[in-house]
Amino acid sequence: AQSVAQPEDQVNVAEGNPLTVKCTYSVSGNPYLFWYVQYPNRGLQFLLKYITGDNLVKGSYGFEAEFNKSQTSFHLKKPSALVSDSALYFCAVERRGNNRLAFGKGNQVVVIP
Amino acid sequence: NAGVTQTPKFQVLKTGQSMTLQCAQDMNHNSMYWYRQDPGMGLRLIYYSASEGTTDKGEVPNGYNVSRLNKREFSLRLESAAPSQTSVYFCASSEADTRSYEQYFGPGTRLTVT
Repeated sequence: AQSVAQPEDQVNVAEGNPLTVKCTYSVSGNPYLFWYVQYPNRGLQFLLKYITGDNLVKGSYGFEAEFNKSQTSFHLKKPSALVSDSALYFCAVERRGNNRLAFGKGNQVVVIP
Repeated sequence: NAGVTQTPKFQVLKTGQSMTLQCAQDMNHNSMYWYRQDPGMGLRLIYYSASEGTTDKGEVPNGYNVSRLNKREFSLRLESAAPSQTSVYFCASSEADTRSYEQYFGPGTRLTVT
């Protein structure tokens, strides 16, 4: 079985401050890890992924995430948040080879001008 | 490329009615998925299809059926709708190979069952 925990329901951050959205996962074997973003009344958009290699992965819109195997975490970060980053963010994990994603419940990010 | 398209965008059904949600992708992907999104629960997999002609149950398949009509199209059918099936439904597709694994999502269908 595979699962994701996103412990915070909402993350509030002032514009220009660093943004962190937390994610921990549980999976047997090595994981594939993903972050998606959802704007109101839209489908999910892919942000970034960890498949293998460098633990720090960079994605769209200035976001990055660090894979930490010992802590089973994959936190999403952005050095300087924009008001336009306000959205719902989902972390997801796939056990290698089973081609199925398990999503966390999502984190609402609110960037305050 | 239109990506992943879904029809309809909105639908209201009465309990016991049936309907089919349509999904199509133009990216030549082998794998396709149906999810439902409910507040505070993230996305849950209903069914998926690894390739044309194959389908498998996901986490919440009860009350649903699917058809992988061809490589492009993957439909989801509610035979007898129930209020518990009120949700937003998303279709997605992916090409699980060594180059990319991410899923691409459609815009969603908002279904209300009264």
